[in-house]
Amino acid sequence: TQLLEQSPQFLSIQEGENLTVYCNSSSVFSSLQWYRQEPGEGPVLLVTVVTGGEVKKLKRLTFQFGDARKDSSLHITAAQPGDTGLYLCAGLVDSNYQLIWGAGTKLIIKP
Amino acid sequence: DVKVTQSSRYLVKRTGEKVFLECVQDMDHENMFWYRQDPGLGLRLIYFSYDVKMKEKGDIPEGYSVSREKKERFSLILESASTNQTSMYLCASSKGQLREAFFGQGTRLTVV
Repeated sequence: TQLLEQSPQFLSIQEGENLTVYCNSSSVFSSLQWYRQEPGEGPVLLVTVVTGGEVKKLKRLTFQFGDARKDSSLHITAAQPGDTGLYLCAGLVDSNYQLIWGAGTKLIIKP
Repeated sequence: DVKVTQSSRYLVKRTGEKVFLECVQDMDHENMFWYRQDPGLGLRLIYFSYDVKMKEKGDIPEGYSVSREKKERFSLILESASTNQTSMYLCASSKGQLREAFFGQGTRLTVV
């Protein structure tokens, strides 16, 4: 069974602080996607990382794919209340083109 | 603006009722998916389809069926709703090798 573990499950911090969310597996993925979901809405794709060691930046968000393509991290600099939401990672399995989903990190940024 | 549209945002149904959840996408995507989302459990795949009239079971298909008669439409059917099917249901579509998913707004179903 392929698993994708996200940590922490829940994070509540003050505006302006930095944070990192992790996504780990024992499986190798051909690519990894990060989504953000706001309450009552569907997830929205933020980024896809494809190459081992790849780093992508989206304004204050930095995404990294591990060298072995088994893990990924999302770092937010100077968090803002608008960053509040559920962050989901999803790894693509080469053999059957299925997405394996993490359980999510619920992030609350307090003003 | 590309879109995946689910027919209802909120539904309340009685135990034993047959329930239809509809999903339409306007992106000409081959792949469509139905997930349910429960707190702490993440997204669990119910059924998916890679082509018209084609369907594959996901991780939790029991109690559900699907229909894909047209490329843009993928329907989820609860044959006889039960209280343990109370959940948020999400439809998604994707295309290409990266399988990047576009989601609908979700349907929050309550079975009483």
